[in-house]
Amino acid sequence: AQTVTQSQPEMSVQEAETVTLSCTYDTSESNYYLFWYKQPPSRQMILVIRQEAYKQQNATENRFSVNFQKAAKSFSLKISDSQLGDTAMYFCAFMKGEAGGTSYGKLTFGQGTILTVHP
Amino acid sequence: EAGVTQSPTHLIKTRGQQATLRCSPISGHTSVYWYQQALGLGLQFLLWYDEGEERNRGNFPPRFSGRQFPNYSSELNVNALELEDSALYLCASSYRDRGPFEQYFGPGTRLTVT
Repeated sequence: AQTVTQSQPEMSVQEAETVTLSCTYDTSESNYYLFWYKQPPSRQMILVIRQEAYKQQNATENRFSVNFQKAAKSFSLKISDSQLGDTAMYFCAFMKGEAGGTSYGKLTFGQGTILTVHP
Repeated sequence: EAGVTQSPTHLIKTRGQQATLRCSPISGHTSVYWYQQALGLGLQFLLWYDEGEERNRGNFPPRFSGRQFPNYSSELNVNALELEDSALYLCASSYRDRGPFEQYFGPGTRLTVT
């Protein structure tokens, strides 16, 4: 079974600064995907960024980038130039990449990190 | 393009009753996923439906069931409600061609069991 751990329950950052959210995972799978989702207060969850395990290059989406360390099973999210609208709960998630078995199609989430951006 | 929609927004039920939650996927999406977000338990996978068939199921008792209709919308039914079923239930959808690796979430249904 896969596990995802986010060790920072809460974090805060000043507007325009950079913040990094941590995530570690455990799996015996070799083919998998990792995700960061954002859930703003009382709003729906949005996919921020996705990383395929077989790709060595770290994924980036505008101000959001990841540091994927496969050997260390670490997947951190860096938010640059933080904005007030980045205030949200951030979830790290894992999904098995190959069809079949009880885990396929299932997102396994970490406990979440509440990020507050201060003006 | 309209996103994933869920109804009702809020649902209040009494212990022992049944609850029915509904989800309409993004147009063109054929897969629907259900997740439970309960306080203290985090987000947990419930069910995955694709083309009307149940593809996978999380570690939940059989009183959690669902179905997917020919128009790809879906229902989640929770029978014999228990207090611990109180949670936000999220629905997500995805294109079949992209597999389950790009799930788009709806706003959720807040179920309260008293």
